[in-house]
Amino acid sequence: QSALTQPASVSASPGQSITISCTGTSSDVGSYNLVSWYQQHPGKAPKLIISEVSKRPSGVSNRFSGSKSGNTASLTISGLQAEDEADYYCCSYAGSTTRVFGGGTKLTVL
Amino acid sequence: QLQLQESGPGLVKPSETLSLTCTVSGGSISSSSYYWGWIRQPPAKGLEWIGLIFYSGSTYYTPSLKSRVTMSVDTSKNQFSLSLSSVTAADTAVYYCARLISGSGSAFDYWGQGTLVTVSP
Repeated sequence: QSALTQPASVSASPGQSITISCTGTSSDVGSYNLVSWYQQHPGKAPKLIISEVSKRPSGVSNRFSGSKSGNTASLTISGLQAEDEADYYCCSYAGSTTRVFGGGTKLTVL
Repeated sequence: QLQLQESGPGLVKPSETLSLTCTVSGGSISSSSYYWGWIRQPPAKGLEWIGLIFYSGSTYYTPSLKSRVTMSVDTSKNQFSLSLSSVTAADTAVYYCARLISGSGSAFDYWGQGTLVTVSP
């Protein structure tokens, strides 16, 4: 069970859009629509922002959206704001009730 | 509002056993709608899923830690616990407990604040 692959960092200016990829295998991301995304600010616990590939929990901005194609899931943040600067992690169901996280992506808002 | 709170020693000696408890308030741990999990994060590194436990006591562990991990649940106290044996410096991390929506939801929707455990002589 290997960690999902995410880019180490992404950056963009306020108002722009970014997409973070999360690549797994046919044993996890590719086989289940059970990818979730988490936002983590420094020193804080992760916060759920996307579940089941593309569902936003109540209270999460509609600037956050998720999708999946094959073994790769993606998180898109539109209209970047300074408060979006954080680390982002994907997580996938990997069969037999197990889970696997991605390595994390640091988003810098320039 | 559901709250989770980790507790346990912040310092553990190498080769000893790390023991943490997560106390759940504002909701019952004995719900068939949720699993309860542990996730850790070494300093300046990413999240690592450790395992899940159901209120019935069924457990699921990550393969890399399976030989050293034991999770248990105490429904009378609304708590669940983590034990990690034979720890080394590589087990130094912030340990989070979290609630996982079971079934199709399958996401960690509530998290504790995390507790730093340092493994050092």
